[in-house]
Amino acid sequence: GEDVEQSLFLSVREGDSSVINCTYTDSSSTYLYWYKQEPGAGLQLLTYIFSNMDMKQDQRLTVLLNKKDKHLSLRIADTQTGDSAIYFCAESTGTASKLTFGTGTRLQVTL
Amino acid sequence: DTGVSQDPRHKITKRGQNVTFRCDPISEHNRLYWYRQTLGQGPEFLTYFQNEAQLEKSRLLSDRFSAERPKGSFSTLEIQRTEQGDSAMYLCASSYKTSPGQGLGTEAFFGQGTRLTVV
Repeated sequence: GEDVEQSLFLSVREGDSSVINCTYTDSSSTYLYWYKQEPGAGLQLLTYIFSNMDMKQDQRLTVLLNKKDKHLSLRIADTQTGDSAIYFCAESTGTASKLTFGTGTRLQVTL
Repeated sequence: DTGVSQDPRHKITKRGQNVTFRCDPISEHNRLYWYRQTLGQGPEFLTYFQNEAQLEKSRLLSDRFSAERPKGSFSTLEIQRTEQGDSAMYLCASSYKTSPGQGLGTEAFFGQGTRLTVV
């Protein structure tokens, strides 16, 4: 079955870059996503990448996909205190009826 | 339309009681999903509807859980004889039927969730 793994915690200083990593097992994953969840809030889609792409950049966010190793990463440039949140990676197949989420990485941004 | 709304936002109940949550999707969306998120974990899929038809149920959805979407608009999730292990955030999401070439996640919008605490 599908399995998506993430490290639990990351602490960075304001202004530095953050890199959050994710590994997945389903080789049929077609789309991979990064969501942000702030305390008491729902899930916000940050960005996504199609499986035939290696990289996608969207303002401060860069997504890298290594399909061979089934490894996905999210880089946040110039990390701000407002970026403090839990970040989930998720995957779906092309005709999926559901998203499979990772366990989430808590990003702490310190001054 | 203000997005997916869920009610209540918080619910505290005693073990053994029944609870019901409501989800109102974005009005033109024909698909509706329920997920459960326990502390320190990512959301886990429970079930989904296309219009009023319940098309898939996770094995996580025990016989104490039932979901309905009677008119293909709002949905309810009921938990009977609640247990402490049911304490979690219950998230609802909706989407229009996924277009060819578009991933589900790009078109599914989540509500803010209902936090259930069973004491």
